[in-house]
Amino acid sequence: QKEVEQDPGPLSVPEGAIVSLNCTYSNSAFQYFMWYRQYSRKGPELLMYTYSSGNKEDGRFTAQVDKSSKYISLFIRDSQPSDSATYLCAMRGGAQKLVFGQGTRLTINP
Amino acid sequence: EAGVTQFPSHSVIEKGQTVTLRCDPISGHDNLYWYRRVMGKEIKFLLHFVKESKQDESGMPNNRFLAERTGGTYSTLKVQPAELEDSGVYFCASSQPGQGTGEQFFGPGTRLTVL
Repeated sequence: QKEVEQDPGPLSVPEGAIVSLNCTYSNSAFQYFMWYRQYSRKGPELLMYTYSSGNKEDGRFTAQVDKSSKYISLFIRDSQPSDSATYLCAMRGGAQKLVFGQGTRLTINP
Repeated sequence: EAGVTQFPSHSVIEKGQTVTLRCDPISGHDNLYWYRRVMGKEIKFLLHFVKESKQDESGMPNNRFLAERTGGTYSTLKVQPAELEDSGVYFCASSQPGQGTGEQFFGPGTRLTVL
């Protein structure tokens, strides 16, 4: 079983829709939770970062962590065509190495 | 400020040959990481340098892979001899010294194809 599970999609939604992306994990030692965005032929770019449980909001993006359920989410409000990318969840414990989900390919249709 | 750079962007080699990938981290970043994404799979950790020392090399797949970071600046990852299953995208990332958030900044990756 993978440490981090993420539905690879693809996911296609109309412009303006609310997008919900999710990951589950099995390692209870994970404390730091991240969402990266990756455009085609580019490296992953950090989008959101959360320590332990709770919510974090940044503009149109909201990250949620529920450690009791080992479940993290990323919500994108008022989605734009420029949000079309692959979204990767990543997490780590005390060590620096990141454990990634497979990534969800998202397309926002104008 | 320049980001993490990687060279080459793409490499095509035959099975049994040697390939060396290079990563230049962001200036001042003591932490340097190598990750790899094999087609259809998730990005996986290979190893972590702190300056010139290997802090964690638990993700290195086998002894055909050799990573170095002489002088604590740029790093190289050599694959010798390359096998078909080594094909994938190799990412380098760097982060500032110390713990804290430790945001890792990724380079664009080197796409390696072994024929």
